[in-house]
Amino acid sequence: TQLLEQSPQFLSIQEGENLTVYCNSSSVFSSLQWYRQEPGEGPVLLVTVVTGGEVKKLKRLTFQFGDARKDSSLHITAAQPGDTGLYLCAVEYGNKLVFGAGTILRVKS
Amino acid sequence: DAMVIQNPRYQVTQFGKPVTLSCSQTLNHNVMYWYQQKSSQAPKLLFHYYDKDFNNEADTPDNFQSRRPNTSFCFLDIRSPGLGDTAMYLCATVRGIMGTEAFFGQGTRLTVV
Repeated sequence: TQLLEQSPQFLSIQEGENLTVYCNSSSVFSSLQWYRQEPGEGPVLLVTVVTGGEVKKLKRLTFQFGDARKDSSLHITAAQPGDTGLYLCAVEYGNKLVFGAGTILRVKS
Repeated sequence: DAMVIQNPRYQVTQFGKPVTLSCSQTLNHNVMYWYQQKSSQAPKLLFHYYDKDFNNEADTPDNFQSRRPNTSFCFLDIRSPGLGDTAMYLCATVRGIMGTEAFFGQGTRLTVV
């Protein structure tokens, strides 16, 4: 069983649409990170959430950490083609950085 | 300026021919990771160092070895690459404090032919 379950696995939408991707676990974490990876590049950190119920905004991206610190969501408003990429959630677990399986997002113009 | 540098960006090697990938960092971070990432999948941890302490994942093939001669450099050696080892290999560093950002290199795309 994966430590972090991400859904959906793949999302293809039109420019301007809204979307939400999820990262779920049965474990409790002190913090959770979201990364975006563009083709041919390494992942880049978008945000770290630390407090249960925390909401962080990064331009059109809204990140939420669940109250119980077991899950998180990423909401994108008015998606643009530049948002295309692989979105990964990650936690530090057992002194190592562990990733979810990722959500591949494709935004068509 | 790039803080985690991987070389080469692209590597083609023959089946069974040893290959070494390198990673260097200017961040002075304690922790260095090597991940394998196959097409459109999440990075899979191979091993990591906390300073000189080496930690191997249970399912990392014996074919994969690593060296960290100093804080700045880390190497991934694949002794006898198979076709299934074709992947992107990512190096990342972390300062060693929980919840801090991981910095990734651009990766080495390895193709075994």
